[in-house]
Amino acid sequence: QITLKESGPTLVIPTQTLTLTCTFSGFSLRDSGVGVGWIRQPPGKALEWLALIYWDDDKRYSPSLKSRLTITEDTSKNQVVLIMTNLDPVDTATYYCAHTIFASGTLDYFDSWGQGTLVTVSS
Amino acid sequence: QSALTQPASVSGSPGQSITISCTGTSSDVGGYNYVSWYQQYPGKAPKLMIYDVSNRPSGVSNRFSGSKSGNTASLTISGLQAEDEADYYCSSYTSSISLVFGGGTKLTVL
Repeated sequence: QITLKESGPTLVIPTQTLTLTCTFSGFSLRDSGVGVGWIRQPPGKALEWLALIYWDDDKRYSPSLKSRLTITEDTSKNQVVLIMTNLDPVDTATYYCAHTIFASGTLDYFDSWGQGTLVTVSS
Repeated sequence: QSALTQPASVSGSPGQSITISCTGTSSDVGGYNYVSWYQQYPGKAPKLMIYDVSNRPSGVSNRFSGSKSGNTASLTISGLQAEDEADYYCSSYTSSISLVFGGGTKLTVL
């Protein structure tokens, strides 16, 4: 059974850096074809894809946020970390991490999701 | 990358069928068969319902089906049930080597 859980600060001051951790079980990022992505959802708004890391350390980023994002993995801890710089109140959202399979050879779907963590950006 | 266009809301009565559209461009929906659909209840994480246009993950009811024509993908729910009332989001791979989601559709079961 695949599970994922997000953790990190609930409140961030504008201009600060956000570090979120996704701790997962039921799979390994050493398994061929596996990936973990981050998606966010502002309150009452739509989903937005942020970044993804694959088993081979290939990384993909949203073009509009690429300059502010870094995704890394700690395979020994079964964790994926997302770093977002220069936070703004518009970055207030629930942040989800999710599991994906590289079955189609490209970015595709997320078949298991964490419960999400709400991050508020405010002074 | 602009979000895919979905109707803000759709509604139907129990037992009926409804269809939710998801319109993009030739750079996303129209160019690739990598469209997926997610169901989301209030305060909950999204759940994958359809992937690669028309494939259902194990455990998803066969009342849910997906299709695509040109730059528009569609999710059809047949035999509508009260438990289907939720928000639905489409997503697609894009030529920018990224993923784009739709704006979401609120389904109301009357």
